[in-house]
Amino acid sequence: ETGVTQSPTHLIKTRGQQVTLRCSSQSGHNTVSWYQQALGQGPQFIFQYYREEENGRGNFPPRFSGLQFPNYSSELNVNALELDDSALYLCASSFDRSEQFFGPGTRLTVL
Amino acid sequence: QQQVKQSPQSLIVQKGGIPIINCAYENTAFDYFPWYQQFPGKGPALLIAIRPDVSEKKEGRFTISFNKSAKQFSLHIMDSQPGDSATYFCAARRNQGGKLIFGQGTELSVKP
Repeated sequence: ETGVTQSPTHLIKTRGQQVTLRCSSQSGHNTVSWYQQALGQGPQFIFQYYREEENGRGNFPPRFSGLQFPNYSSELNVNALELDDSALYLCASSFDRSEQFFGPGTRLTVL
Repeated sequence: QQQVKQSPQSLIVQKGGIPIINCAYENTAFDYFPWYQQFPGKGPALLIAIRPDVSEKKEGRFTISFNKSAKQFSLHIMDSQPGDSATYFCAARRNQGGKLIFGQGTELSVKP
């Protein structure tokens, strides 16, 4: 059974650029949640996708967007990057929105 | 009402000791309380979880104690080992499939 995978591992962007992060859910899972984890903080919920539809959103601006594909993998897109967007972005998958299992994360640095 | 408050921020124990990490919540609608363990450079790993109809749950060396009336829950690690050194997060969820709301984390160091 393959766990949650994320790509890329690390990413460096400059302010104003756009970024796309990818997540492959664990086999058999149909729900993907995205979280932002700033250094020394707990993860903050960005949004969740369940069966290809957004199923809840945290307190993040519209420049954070995402989608889920028919195979339940997911993308997180961030437009107009700001310095404060520098963080570890975590993807968690679950089956029918039950226990969430996290991937290793993507470390985004915005310069 | 969405907060989960976690303490202490950091904790140092000797090998074999029993570190205890505490969390408190405000929203009585929360119905699922997991604990995650995170090593540097890794994603959080689900350790153990409890629902409010149970006062205690044990899995291996990890125990959750839950006090519904006080709106508090805690993680105990029995016979702690240096390999348990990590950051621990408590979390809470309001309903099936809902977002997880995390505490601020506790950095645990277990000395040999």
